[in-house]
Amino acid sequence: QQQVKQSPQSLIVQKGGISIINCAYENTAFDYFPWYQQFPGKGPALLIAIRPDVSEKKEGRFTISFNKSAKQFSLHIMDSQPGDSATYFCAASIAGNTPLVFGKGTRLSVIA
Amino acid sequence: DTEVTQTPKHLVMGMTNKKSLKCEQHMGHRAMYWYKQKAKKPPELMFVYSYEKLSINESVPSRFSPECPNSSLLNLHLHALQPEDSALYLCASTGTELSSPLHFGNGTRLTVT
Repeated sequence: QQQVKQSPQSLIVQKGGISIINCAYENTAFDYFPWYQQFPGKGPALLIAIRPDVSEKKEGRFTISFNKSAKQFSLHIMDSQPGDSATYFCAASIAGNTPLVFGKGTRLSVIA
Repeated sequence: DTEVTQTPKHLVMGMTNKKSLKCEQHMGHRAMYWYKQKAKKPPELMFVYSYEKLSINESVPSRFSPECPNSSLLNLHLHALQPEDSALYLCASTGTELSSPLHFGNGTRLTVT
């Protein structure tokens, strides 16, 4: 019930391409879904987050798509750049109530 | 740079040593967290302090002892650690509003020899 399943484990994308990372959750009480970006030697940093009352949220090149009925959400990175190479974690929680449950992470490499 | 400051950045300690990790935030957040992160793994929750009181202990061994001296500071006291405790230790904080984001520090890279 507490798991968040993330895929793929690793991803290689050409510069300028679209990177897509998927997550699925079990607990229907989750109502807050953030994505974190982590560079080597740094702590995770919040990239973008969504609540289940919307199906999509876009911030610059980063978009979260949310499918409540399928209990899935995904991160799309448009026009991927080498500087986007990092590990991405999806997460979920009951906002204001429970700590974040993290997916296992996706290591993204954007190659020129 | 993040708004959550952790010191030291790196720490090497022997199994008989006692050391402390420190974390500071000045965002007025009232919830503070310790996470442990092994290589290629997600952060793993250890402790949560809410309004300076310990609210969650994820069954962490007693060789890790957290302390919250005030609303801005969080310490993690280490004693008699094992080599498998080597990891990146992350501090984080969050506000009290719903969906207040979790802000992480850059962590302390701990090596136990």
